[in-house]
Amino acid sequence: AQTVTQSQPEMSVQEAETVTLSCTYDTSESDYYLFWYKQPPSRQMILVIRQEAYKQQNATENRFSVNFQKAAKSFSLKISDSQLGDAAMYFCAQHGSSNTGKLIFGQGTTLQVKP
Amino acid sequence: KAGVTQTPRYLIKTRGQQVTLSCSPISGHRSVSWYQQTPGQGLQFLFEYFSETQRNKGNFPGRFSGRQFSNSRSEMNVSTLELGDSALYLCASSLVEGRMNYGYTFGSGTRLTVV
Repeated sequence: AQTVTQSQPEMSVQEAETVTLSCTYDTSESDYYLFWYKQPPSRQMILVIRQEAYKQQNATENRFSVNFQKAAKSFSLKISDSQLGDAAMYFCAQHGSSNTGKLIFGQGTTLQVKP
Repeated sequence: KAGVTQTPRYLIKTRGQQVTLSCSPISGHRSVSWYQQTPGQGLQFLFEYFSETQRNKGNFPGRFSGRQFSNSRSEMNVSTLELGDSALYLCASSLVEGRMNYGYTFGSGTRLTVV
């Protein structure tokens, strides 16, 4: 079975500081993708970063980077130089190549950014 | 490039009625998937359509159905509405080429309230 677990319901960070959101997952697939999505109060899910499991190199997108530990099935998101606009709910998700169109989401982490 | 468009944004229905939600994917995206988001259950996968065919289905009762048209636009229908169907319904479109998935782009969702 595919599962995604986010153990931190809420996190807070000071503006300009760095924060790391945790995510662990389980899958029986050998070929899969991992994602972090951001959902602000406007409720639109926005793709933050995408990682292909067969790539060992950690994905980065500007201030966002991941620490992908395949053996440990861990996929944490690091946000550097946090900005007020980063405040949102963050979801970790996985997609197995054989499970078309199906994203499995974690429970989400609410990130608060303090000025 | 236009994003994923979901209509309507808000809907209020009475128990027992039926409802149809619409999703227009990004041009060129042939995969459309639907998700239900509730505070208690989080984000749950409903079904996915690709080239007018349902390829994957989540664990929802038969009251939830969908279809996809030749222009890739998709609709989902919920019949005999129950109070527990109140949720944010999100659709996502995806560019899929073989086993490569380039990520899912979500619409802003339809907020359904059943009274």
